[in-house]
Amino acid sequence: DGGITQSPKYLFRKEGQNVTLSCEQNLNHDAMYWYRQDPGQGLRLIYYSQIVNDFQKGDIAEGYSVSREKKESFPLTVTSAQKNPTAFYLCASSNRGHQPQHFGDGTRLSIL
Amino acid sequence: AQKVTQAQTEISVVEKEDVTLDCVYETRDTTYYLFWYKQPPSGELVFLIRRNSFDEQNEISGRYSWNFQKSTSSFNFTITASQVVDSAVYFCALIGSGYSTLTFGKGTMLLVSP
Repeated sequence: DGGITQSPKYLFRKEGQNVTLSCEQNLNHDAMYWYRQDPGQGLRLIYYSQIVNDFQKGDIAEGYSVSREKKESFPLTVTSAQKNPTAFYLCASSNRGHQPQHFGDGTRLSIL
Repeated sequence: AQKVTQAQTEISVVEKEDVTLDCVYETRDTTYYLFWYKQPPSGELVFLIRRNSFDEQNEISGRYSWNFQKSTSSFNFTITASQVVDSAVYFCALIGSGYSTLTFGKGTMLLVSP
């Protein structure tokens, strides 16, 4: 079945630690996205990538980093510079041309 | 700039009631696309519909229907004969032709009780 796989489902971060959230898609989509969702809030865009080896900052990129070395993969690193990382993180992908985005199941990140 | 407003934060209904979720948008683009997504308690966003700005026909899919009115910049979503499984957060989103990314509303939480 085609889809988007995010792992892990739950992640705990210690103070000063970097953590990486995985996102893999087998939909052959060109574009991939990372969103952050806080309780009662909408989705805020962290980073997006429309092509391999290229990515752009979204609205809240500070404290995060990404890479896009393969079309299928778009990992997100939450660095120690992100002082309030506790949130629900969603990865999405889409074809070009303003097509619908398809989402993974999300990763819930908490601070220990 | 793009903006999506979902004024209803939370709606509670009893099963079999009809319910309408409001969505008002702002964009300067003449070509744009509107979306609705459903987020059940499990967390994954599920795509429901995409509508382009040139197609003002209302859409019906089973118990779901969408009313797009450019004159009022609205794209409202109606669930007929609601069911408990409809309980979720619903997001409206917009992308103009000159943009690469979606703008989401803050979502409306729908609670359907038996």
